Amino acid sequence: AQSVTQLDSHVSVSEGTPVLLRCNYSSSYSPSLFWYVQHPNKGLQLLLKYTSAATLVKGINGFEAEFKKSETSFHLTKPSAHMSDAAEYFCVVSGRRGNLIFGKGTKLSVKP
Amino acid sequence: KAGVTQTPRYLIKTRGQQVTLSCSPISGHRSVSWYQQTPGQGLQFLFEYFSETQRNKGNFPGRFSGRQFSNSRSEMNVSTLELGDSALYLCASSLADPYNEQFFGPGTRLTVL
Repeated sequence: AQSVTQLDSHVSVSEGTPVLLRCNYSSSYSPSLFWYVQHPNKGLQLLLKYTSAATLVKGINGFEAEFKKSETSFHLTKPSAHMSDAAEYFCVVSGRRGNLIFGKGTKLSVKP
Repeated sequence: KAGVTQTPRYLIKTRGQQVTLSCSPISGHRSVSWYQQTPGQGLQFLFEYFSETQRNKGNFPGRFSGRQFSNSRSEMNVSTLELGDSALYLCASSLADPYNEQFFGPGTRLTVL
């Protein structure tokens, strides 16, 4: 069965410092992996997607994620946090039933 | 290009009632998926429709149902509402393959009293 675990429910960083949001996945086959972001009172937006083409995936707004099969990880990073990055981030794995399986989410706070 | 729209945005119902939520996908998108988001369970997949047919289904009771029309618009229905059905219901559309990027609507916030 497919599953995804986000290792931190809340991450707090200072503006201008790096961001690391950790995600581990479990899948019986080669899955597609995604990161989505949800700003307060806004819909979910796709940040980036991994579909086996390249292990380092670049997304929007300076975010990127690295797929590591040996570690079953897909961590999200950004070199320098901006106040506008404050939101909830979801790591997502494709399920067998045409569905997306979401992690519990990581709330990112950015301090000035 | 207009995004995914959901109506209504907010609903308040009482236990035992039924409710219908509506979703209009992005023009040209034929796959529509529904998700339930709650603080305790997070985001959970309800079902996916493609070309007016339910193609995939999550682990929800039969009180949750849906349909899709020929113009790809979709509705979901919840009958005999329970307090635990209070949630944000999200609709997402994609061109055809739900494993490609799904575009999400703002959601319908359902409160069951």
